[in-house]
Amino acid sequence: EVQLVESGGGLVQPGGSLRLSCAASGFIFSGDWMHWVRQVPGRELVWVSRINPGGNIRGYADSVKGRFTISRDNARATVFLEMNSLRAEDTAVYYCATEGSPAGLTPWGQGILVTVSS
Amino acid sequence: QSALTQPPSASGSLGQSVTISCTGTSSDVGGYNYVSWYQQHPGKAPKLIIYEVTKRPSGVPDRFSGSRSGNTASLTVSGLQADDEADYYCSSYAGSDKFVFGTGTKVTVL
Repeated sequence: EVQLVESGGGLVQPGGSLRLSCAASGFIFSGDWMHWVRQVPGRELVWVSRINPGGNIRGYADSVKGRFTISRDNARATVFLEMNSLRAEDTAVYYCATEGSPAGLTPWGQGILVTVSS
Repeated sequence: QSALTQPPSASGSLGQSVTISCTGTSSDVGGYNYVSWYQQHPGKAPKLIIYEVTKRPSGVPDRFSGSRSGNTASLTVSGLQADDEADYYCSSYAGSDKFVFGTGTKVTVL
């Protein structure tokens, strides 16, 4: 069964840091682009970042560029999102997803909540 | 990097059709054949239903179809069923290794 499981979320103070992980299983992780997408509950999806299979090509939304870093460990079939200088507006459910079809994200993880608040 | 524009809501009766628009620019929707659509039920992760403008992943019924004209993509759901009631989002590649999602449309089945 293809599965993505996020971890590492929680409550963090403004200006703080958090590292999200997404463990993949059931498919050839090293062959796919991986993405992070976030969603404030009740609001729209917002694309955050993606990384190529080799780990050397990264893209970021303007709102997180310079603060967030995406990386991956193909040996552990895991993708990471290092989030620094967190702001209240970064509060959201964060999903990892595989680009299993050309520019189409499937499957998705179950999502993990990040709350930035003092 | 502005969100793609979708109508906030759409509705249709059981068995009828509904079409949702997704308007972008020549730098995203109109510039690449990388428009995708997602269905999201409350409390669940999104599910891919259309990719590369018109293609359906395995297991997605042919009641779901995608198209594009210029900078506007569209999703049509035919033969509406109760389970089609959900939020729908479009997405497009926007160049320079960036993607953008739409504002989302809530579909109600009457």
